[in-house]
Amino acid sequence: VELVESGGRLVQPGGSLRLSCAASGFTFNTEGMNWVRQTPGKGLEWLSYISTSSTTIYYADSVTGRFTISRDNGKNSLFLQMNSLRDEDSAVYYCARDTSNRGYYAMDVWGQGTTVTVSS
Amino acid sequence: QSALTQPASVSGSPGQSITISCTATSSDVGAYNYVSWYQHHPGKTPKLMIYDVTNRPSGVSNRFSGSKSGNTASLTISGLQAEDEADYFCSSYTSGSSLYVFGTGTKVTVL
Repeated sequence: VELVESGGRLVQPGGSLRLSCAASGFTFNTEGMNWVRQTPGKGLEWLSYISTSSTTIYYADSVTGRFTISRDNGKNSLFLQMNSLRDEDSAVYYCARDTSNRGYYAMDVWGQGTTVTVSS
Repeated sequence: QSALTQPASVSGSPGQSITISCTATSSDVGAYNYVSWYQHHPGKTPKLMIYDVTNRPSGVSNRFSGSKSGNTASLTISGLQAEDEADYFCSSYTSGSSLYVFGTGTKVTVL
């Protein structure tokens, strides 16, 4: 079971970026997925959740209207489109498998993270 | 949604027990038995240690245990070992427009 994020890089304030997360080793289309970030020296911040068929989506207030989560079950992939990026969006971004379809609320598999730096 | 409050740091000697608290200002922790705990060694992948307040995933040492009283959840590490030195985060399911909220994180130091 593995999640591998990609797409992180240096981007200017106001810019856009699309992160990807490739899943393997489990049946991707049966699991909800999350994006979580960790800012330098700070804690974890949950950002967004998407259900198996993309019918249910949640966002944290801090990214609502700027970030869009999506998935492609045919390609076992999760995405995070990030627009209007700010300095405070600089962080390591993780994708994480959700457990809610198995009866409890947690994240049981995490990727290694991809680093986004927003700076001019 | 406000983060859950954790102590910034907790320390203990090898073999001792330590407890990390996780307190909500709203009713997230108190309203649901959906508190989870994560261990994060810097530079590595976060690891789920406890879910549903008290349950351990397969493979997690029974030295780790969870509990909850009112709006405060707790993680106890018994028989502290050097490998337990890491950052620990609590998380809770929350109703409304968000789904989860994380704690502020606690750095555990093994003296």
